[in-house]
Amino acid sequence: GAGVSQSPSNKVTEKGKDVELRCDPISGHTALYWYRQRLGQGLEFLIYFQGNSAPDKSGLPSDRFSAERTGESVSTLTIQRTQQEDSAVYLCASSLSVRHTDTQYFGPGTRLTVL
Amino acid sequence: RKEVEQDPGPFNVPEGATVAFNCTYSNSASQSFFWYRQDCRKEPKLLMSVYSSGNEDGRFTAQLNRASQYISLLIRDSKLSDSATYLCVVNMGNNNDMRFGAGTRLTVKP
Repeated sequence: GAGVSQSPSNKVTEKGKDVELRCDPISGHTALYWYRQRLGQGLEFLIYFQGNSAPDKSGLPSDRFSAERTGESVSTLTIQRTQQEDSAVYLCASSLSVRHTDTQYFGPGTRLTVL
Repeated sequence: RKEVEQDPGPFNVPEGATVAFNCTYSNSASQSFFWYRQDCRKEPKLLMSVYSSGNEDGRFTAQLNRASQYISLLIRDSKLSDSATYLCVVNMGNNNDMRFGAGTRLTVKP
């Protein structure tokens, strides 16, 4: 069946430009996560959506970062006025429900390069 | 203290060796624990969940110590294909909000 998909797979942009990254979770998954992974580093939690509840934005590194999700469908992560330190792979994951035992399924990521 | 901490390694071991990783977590209310595997330039994938009684899946054994707030992963009879980064994942209390450790890199050599 279809897994988590992300687009674009690669994005090269110039410093100061805005970028928008998209995540399509597995159908029926109510929880959706965004992570950032810099080269050779671990996953850095950014934001978490659970159904229609207010998202947990505690991991967003600055006010240049924002994310939206409509219902239990697509999510977009927007980075405004990109900086070179924003260069990383941005990973999206989804899981089935509110149960804390549920597995997260990851998308292939979007590799962002800010020149 | 970080929410989830792991020894970054790298661990370099010969084929057939036994290797163990530990992971400590800060939230005493955490109830779910997982090990994920991430191959180079790939997305993480679930390796195994960690149950309170400990669990085993082939060459892999996971243990949980709630009193000391750590989990462990033991790999026996290492294979070349085990080379990867192993990520410890812990939920933040009784919800589906998960936190990943930075990962432990393992290289198994011939």
